[in-house]
Amino acid sequence: DAGITQSPRYKITETGRQVTLMCHQTWSHSYMFWYRQDLGHGLRLIYYSAAADITDKGEVPDGYVVSRSKTENFPLTLESATRSQTSVYFCASSESTGAGEQYFGPGTRLTVT
Amino acid sequence: QKEVEQDPGPLSVPEGAIVSLNCTYSNSAFQYFMWYRQYSRKGPELLMYTYSSGNKEDGRFTAQVDKSSKYISLFIRDSQPSDSATYLCAMRRGSGGSNYKLTFGKGTLLTVNP
Repeated sequence: DAGITQSPRYKITETGRQVTLMCHQTWSHSYMFWYRQDLGHGLRLIYYSAAADITDKGEVPDGYVVSRSKTENFPLTLESATRSQTSVYFCASSESTGAGEQYFGPGTRLTVT
Repeated sequence: QKEVEQDPGPLSVPEGAIVSLNCTYSNSAFQYFMWYRQYSRKGPELLMYTYSSGNKEDGRFTAQVDKSSKYISLFIRDSQPSDSATYLCAMRRGSGGSNYKLTFGKGTLLTVNP
């Protein structure tokens, strides 16, 4: 299917466990982004990537790790999950030309117990 | 002061009303302005974008940018119950590098009552 997909859609994990959220896009967009969305905070950028093997921190990067070995994939890893990382996570992608409008995936709802 | 301010609402209107949603911003370097719609438990979807100042119309939706006032608006004409969602404004600086990051408002929750 064309577009941007995220997996899993729902995840429950325990404090201290490592969790990886997957993001895949079929448009060959240069840029990819990870956000978390929490009530009262809106969308906050965690990490972004301008191209394969190029990543940079966003507003709230602590406790997260990203990699981008292929243009189409941008996994987000929580190295040791904490309850404060309970959130809805969105992946997005955009071209590197024009308005750079971002297209979002359906989200992953993560609960850390 | 936050870079982008957006009244969270909630905003409740009757079907057929004209809806006005607004954001203010402080960074004069912003050049691209976008509006996203987010239904409950879904990802944000792009409604429209404008570059610099001016108006843009797409069906029942009109986006306005006033860079001199650092103020952007989204108008919805003949609002429908299906327009009930959270509306997020977003903006970014010009081309290149980290300028492709978007700065989002926190969103306004809109309910259109039949």
